[in-house]
Amino acid sequence: GAGVSQTPSNKVTEKGKYVELRCDPISGHTALYWYRQSLGQGPEFLIYFQGTGAADDSGLPNDRFFAVRPEGSVSTLKIQRTERGDSAVYLCASSLTAAGRNEQFFGPGTRLTVL
Amino acid sequence: RKEVEQDPGPFNVPEGATVAFNCTYSNSASQSFFWYRQDCRKEPKLLMSVYSSGNEDGRFTAQLNRASQYISLLIRDSKLSDSATYLCVVISARINFGNEKLTFGTGTRLTIIP
Repeated sequence: GAGVSQTPSNKVTEKGKYVELRCDPISGHTALYWYRQSLGQGPEFLIYFQGTGAADDSGLPNDRFFAVRPEGSVSTLKIQRTERGDSAVYLCASSLTAAGRNEQFFGPGTRLTVL
Repeated sequence: RKEVEQDPGPFNVPEGATVAFNCTYSNSASQSFFWYRQDCRKEPKLLMSVYSSGNEDGRFTAQLNRASQYISLLIRDSKLSDSATYLCVVISARINFGNEKLTFGTGTRLTIIP
């Protein structure tokens, strides 16, 4: 079946602009995660959804970052007033439920470049 | 101190050799442990879970030492296709019920040389 998909695959924007990154999880997966990976680093947790609600947003770096999952499936990560330091690969993952024994499947990521 | 620490490498190893990676974690209450593999410009993929009793999957063996808080991965008879970054991953004690967020190390880059 289809895996996790993310769009766009690449996004180049200018400092100060607003961007939206989309994640389509695997059908039936209730848990959805956003991570950010900078060059030479492992992915870092941003936010986690169980169903429609953001159960843990402790990884969001500041209030310029926001994410939604209004119908419990597709999620959008929104970044306002982008800064050069936001440049990274944004990875989305989904799992059947949030329990640790369920594997998290990652999407291919969106590579964001802020000029 | 980072919650999960790994030697970033790179490790350049001849084909057929055995290579081992270690990883340490700081939270003694950590519950679950994994090795993920990430190919260049691709997403991470689960390689194997790590259990206290140790587990093996073909040429790959993973071990967990809770007392010393480290995790290891051993690759025997390495193949060219093993070239990738290997990420040590931990699920720490639950702060918010039900959140099983993954905490990643920086990854260890492995290149198998023909």
